[in-house]
Amino acid sequence: NAGVTQTPKFQVLKTGQSMTLQCAQDMNHEYMSWYRQDPGMGLRLIHYSVGAGITDQGEVPNGYNVSRSTTEDFPLRLLSAAPSQTSVYFCASSSYKAGRDYGYTFGSGTRLTVV
Amino acid sequence: KNEVEQSPQNLTAQEGEFITINCSYSVGISALHWLQQHPGGGIVSLFMLSSGKKKHGRLIATINIQEKHSSLHITASHPRDSAVYICAALKVQGAQKLVFGQGTRLTINP
Repeated sequence: NAGVTQTPKFQVLKTGQSMTLQCAQDMNHEYMSWYRQDPGMGLRLIHYSVGAGITDQGEVPNGYNVSRSTTEDFPLRLLSAAPSQTSVYFCASSSYKAGRDYGYTFGSGTRLTVV
Repeated sequence: KNEVEQSPQNLTAQEGEFITINCSYSVGISALHWLQQHPGGGIVSLFMLSSGKKKHGRLIATINIQEKHSSLHITASHPRDSAVYICAALKVQGAQKLVFGQGTRLTINP
């Protein structure tokens, strides 16, 4: 089925470890983004990309890296995990070009715990 | 003050009741999204609005651009409607960015 595939669904890390959250979409969407969801804080934008080779920071980028080498993939890297990065992470994609539908499709989420 | 405010934060109702969730925003937007999230589940896009009104089944979403206000209505509510409903504004400034409300936790009792 067309959509956004996010892996893994669950992950436990030790402080200082690194990992990559994977996100892939097969809808040829230009725009992809990563969010974290914390109790009482709602969803917050970490990084986003408007196309292959183009990324930019969102509201809470510190501690995270992204790259966009293809239209389909937008991985999120945690360089040195900290307990403050314990959260639920969502990847999303949408059309971006003017005149097209800006509807968003979200991945199923990754529940990350850093101990 | 948050750029997107939702009310109420929590809502409990009986099956069959008419439900209204409100969203106010203070930023210029190109569209407003209503999202649904079931407990422990992913996020599903219900509506994207830039003007007027949209209807899908028992769900209706309206937006008033001048008043910077949107509402999500659920008619003949059912326990399976129990979820968190999130309003998100797509800002017009610069690159495309969603700004989210805090969400409304809806519980429909049988």
